[in-house]
Amino acid sequence: EIVLTQSPATLSLSPGERATLSCRASQSVSSNLVWYQQKPGQAPRLLIYDASNRATGIPARFSGSGSGTDFTLTISSLEPEDFAVYYCQQRTNWPITFGQGTRLEIK
Amino acid sequence: QVQMVEFGGGVVQPGRSLRLSCAASGFTFSNHAMNWVRQAPGKGLEWVALISYDGSNEYYADSVKGRFTISRDNSKNTLYLQMNSLRAEDTAVYYCARDQHLSFDYWGQGTLVTVSS
Repeated sequence: EIVLTQSPATLSLSPGERATLSCRASQSVSSNLVWYQQKPGQAPRLLIYDASNRATGIPARFSGSGSGTDFTLTISSLEPEDFAVYYCQQRTNWPITFGQGTRLEIK
Repeated sequence: QVQMVEFGGGVVQPGRSLRLSCAASGFTFSNHAMNWVRQAPGKGLEWVALISYDGSNEYYADSVKGRFTISRDNSKNTLYLQMNSLRAEDTAVYYCARDQHLSFDYWGQGTLVTVSS
């Protein structure tokens, strides 16, 4: 099973700041890495697929990068609605696995 | 617009069974693989099962293999999850999710399953 480790567990920033979230895989997942955003009481929302492709309707301030084992989700300038929990996910190998999440909170 | 609505959650005793349904609309259901993903209270996301677009292939997390069965009825645009021998650790919100680009691009609102005596 591929283990995804996200860091930091919690990130405290202010609106307007840049956020950098990390996801590290226990073995290579090529570019098969996905990012989701989840707000309290809501279902997750797809942000990025194939490591760097924004999903439909996702603002340009969200970007993904990386390949192999190290990936980054960057939010260039935080908006109030961006404070949420972010998960990475892989499906290069079965089973499909998620990271444990990074909570992005308002400082 | 794409919509998925889950049904069938509730409180069930350990060892009993429950069947979840997910009614899909707004897209060609038979063109997409479908998934169940769960989230225990206050915890992260856990993928549960995937079924191919035509139902010919199924994949399961080790934690549910042999106890849960994913199925679909493309004539009814509905996805199912039959859950047998339920355990306390199966308590979670269960989401159905559409498969696209090796990701889950649309999710239902979830249905809560509580396993408790």
